[in-house]
Amino acid sequence: NAGVTQTPKFQVLKTGQSMTLQCAQDMNHEYMSWYRQDPGMGLRLIHYSVGAGITDQGEVPNGYNVSRSTTEDFPLRLLSAAPSQTSVYFCASSPGHNTGELFFGEGSRLTVL
Amino acid sequence: DQQVKQNSPSLSVQEGRISILNCDYTNSMFDYFLWYKKYPAEGPTFLISISSIKDKNEDGRFTVFLNKSAKHLSLHIVPSQPGDSAVYFCAASAYGQNFVFGPGTRLSVLP
Repeated sequence: NAGVTQTPKFQVLKTGQSMTLQCAQDMNHEYMSWYRQDPGMGLRLIHYSVGAGITDQGEVPNGYNVSRSTTEDFPLRLLSAAPSQTSVYFCASSPGHNTGELFFGEGSRLTVL
Repeated sequence: DQQVKQNSPSLSVQEGRISILNCDYTNSMFDYFLWYKKYPAEGPTFLISISSIKDKNEDGRFTVFLNKSAKHLSLHIVPSQPGDSAVYFCAASAYGQNFVFGPGTRLSVLP
């Protein structure tokens, strides 16, 4: 039972490079989201989606893009990486929007030099 | 300004004793609260939740208490075990809104 799968687990980028963090879930959850975790800041919401074709901004969306073409996949794109985007990124899903707990992936550690 | 606060960055407890982790919130519209546990190099995992219509929810060794008038909730772990050593996040949401997470408390249970 895979749950929420994130790739890659580790990535090092140079300033200005772009990349995509992949997230897939096999639980047929409608709601998916991306968080970043920084020391002393907890988990902050970047973008979220309440269903295929629908996305919206969270608390810290600048510098990131998302799309939701299928129920299963919710990729996060960094358009032009900056050192301030060095963080651990978590993808999460749930059956509905705040209708239960979030199921998290294992995280992707990104370093931007 | 953080809407969900966990003012103790870390807590150490002896094995077998009670661990009490605290969480305060500022948004009076929050009506659903969760606790998550996170081990290093893993994603957070759900531990226990409570809705604002209750003041207590219990699941085995874990109990969450909610004091709405004080905008305060706490997680009690009894008895504490070394495997409970992790970072604990408090999260809150208002109906139809996204969850807001606190900064976390690192619990160390000493053998």
